[in-house]
Amino acid sequence: NAGVTQTPKFRVLKTGQSMTLLCAQDMNHEYMYWYRQDPGMGLRLIHYSVGEGTTAKGEVPDGYNVSRLKKQNFLLGLESAAPSQTSVYFCASSYSTSGTLFFGPGTRLTVL
Amino acid sequence: GENVEQHPSTLSVQEGDSAVIKCTYSDSASNYFPWYKQELGKGPQLIIDIRSNVGEKKDQRIAVTLNKTAKHFSLHITETQPEDSAVYFCAASRGGYGGATNKLIFGTGTLLAVQP
Repeated sequence: NAGVTQTPKFRVLKTGQSMTLLCAQDMNHEYMYWYRQDPGMGLRLIHYSVGEGTTAKGEVPDGYNVSRLKKQNFLLGLESAAPSQTSVYFCASSYSTSGTLFFGPGTRLTVL
Repeated sequence: GENVEQHPSTLSVQEGDSAVIKCTYSDSASNYFPWYKQELGKGPQLIIDIRSNVGEKKDQRIAVTLNKTAKHFSLHITETQPEDSAVYFCAASRGGYGGATNKLIFGTGTLLAVQP
């Protein structure tokens, strides 16, 4: 099993550009999450999904959109990137609401 | 809002010594407390967790203690080794009981350096 994979690993955007980060998991998990990690701030939840076709807002959802069209995939979109969105983005999945989170390797995004 | 404070932010120990990382949480309804280890360039990985009906849990050189009255929990690593060097995150959640999702609130992380 590959676990949780993320593409791309690195990306540089200019302010105002858009992009989509892809997360895929092969563990048949119902729950998927997008976090951002910034120095000195830990991991903060952006959006999450409790199943195929569902999405919900986390702590810091502004400027991001998500979609979960297939159970194994969770997409994070930035419609108009801003320098404040420079961060490392982690996708995670879990089997249940109280289960272990399995994280992907991360995507380092820089917005100039 | 809900908050988890973690101390220290950096910790340097000699190989073989013990390391202790402490966290406090604000949401008294929290009942699930995991610890994640993040190695350089990788995603966080669960190393141990504890639920509110347990005061202490051990797994080989790693232990976690929980004091619900004081709303704090700690990670203890004994006989540290260079491969223990990483960033450690504590987290807290309501654990999903009653239908809530597993929305973990993370601490800000501790960079542990084990000197050979």
